[in-house]
Amino acid sequence: DSGVTQTPKHLITATGQRVTLRCSPRSGDLSVYWYQQSLDQGLQFLIQYYNGEERAKGNILERFSAQQFPDLHSELNLSSLELGDSALYFCASSVAGRSDEQFFGPGTRLTVL
Amino acid sequence: QKEVEQDPGPLSVPEGAIVSLNCTYSNSAFQYFMWYRQYSRKGPELLMYTYSSGNKEDGRFTAQVDKSSKYISLFIRDSQPSDSATYLCAMRREGGAQKLVFGQGTRLTINP
Repeated sequence: DSGVTQTPKHLITATGQRVTLRCSPRSGDLSVYWYQQSLDQGLQFLIQYYNGEERAKGNILERFSAQQFPDLHSELNLSSLELGDSALYFCASSVAGRSDEQFFGPGTRLTVL
Repeated sequence: QKEVEQDPGPLSVPEGAIVSLNCTYSNSAFQYFMWYRQYSRKGPELLMYTYSSGNKEDGRFTAQVDKSSKYISLFIRDSQPSDSATYLCAMRREGGAQKLVFGQGTRLTINP
């Protein structure tokens, strides 16, 4: 168990809908990262937050947004969902300055029908 | 062309064999190199971490980085069925945005 929690584990929804994925980092970790993992694209970095502030952006679509709250939990919002958004979404956390040692949560499996 | 290339396999070897997993990369600015292991339906977990070139050993695992060839390797000695997983290489630049760039992952099966 990495200490990172994600909810829900599974999510099934329809195209055009909006969903929110939630992540709680390990105790004491200020950095949170979001990734998308699909069969064809592998593990793709989406966005990083550090202590409530956006720190780095990757291949995140404009339909996706994220935030980190004062208690350090983070949410990833996915809107206007498309079939191609079906994937595993992982959250990871790390201590400050150690992005190379990230601890991953169990992931949320999103299925868009 | 992807920044990090990794053969997705699958790779199947008998128990006890030495396994070699590799990644190549194109960005010479990468300085930090990692190997993550991902079991089915689980999140990745960090196995090995290396800064710049050289070797690092941890038990049955050895990580090698050859920056001149832009090539990294992970060796697993005395492989066990419990090593069956997907292995992902990852790397990042020094400073700047500390985002990790992952390889596609190699799916490894160790047969008893």
